[in-house]
Amino acid sequence: KAGVTQTPRYLIKTRGQQVTLSCSPISGHRSVSWYQQTPGQGLQFLFEYFSETQRNKGNFPGRFSGRQFSNSRSEMNVSTLELGDSALYLCASSRVEGDTQYFGPGTRLTVL
Amino acid sequence: QQQVKQSPQSLIVQKGGISIINCAYENTAFDYFPWYQQFPGKGPALLIAIRPDVSEKKEGRFTISFNKSAKQFSLHIMDSQPGDSATYFCAASRASNDYKLSFGAGTTVTVRA
Repeated sequence: KAGVTQTPRYLIKTRGQQVTLSCSPISGHRSVSWYQQTPGQGLQFLFEYFSETQRNKGNFPGRFSGRQFSNSRSEMNVSTLELGDSALYLCASSRVEGDTQYFGPGTRLTVL
Repeated sequence: QQQVKQSPQSLIVQKGGISIINCAYENTAFDYFPWYQQFPGKGPALLIAIRPDVSEKKEGRFTISFNKSAKQFSLHIMDSQPGDSATYFCAASRASNDYKLSFGAGTTVTVRA
């Protein structure tokens, strides 16, 4: 069974731009969560989607948003990029909410 | 504030030795405690997980010890191998509600041959 896939793997943007990251969960998994990983703050929860509904949101500004499609694929969007948004963005999927979360390889975003 | 505190930040162990990583939590509502292993350039991979109804769980060379009254849990890596060199994260969540994982800061383990 294929794992969680994330595209693109690497991205370079400039301040003020916006970016969209994509995540395809493991086949049959319906819950998708997003995390931000930085050297200073570690792994921080962004949001979780299940059945196309955002079920939980972390403490991030409204510039961070996401959505989930009917096939469980998910996208996250960051608008008006700031230097501090440079991070590894990780997507994790689980069969249902509360089940084991399996992580993708991440998208490395660099904001210049 | 960080809901899960992890120590040490880094450790070096000789091949064949034991690596011990400790985590402590405050939220008594947490009921699921996984450990993840992350190699450079990769996403975290689930290593082993425990629920508070058991005090110890072993899978191969990896053992979780759980102390509910002290709100602490630890990972023991027995017979450490160079391939175990990675960053290890403990985490906690309320698997029955909320579901988000709260992670520790991570421990970088280096196994010297």
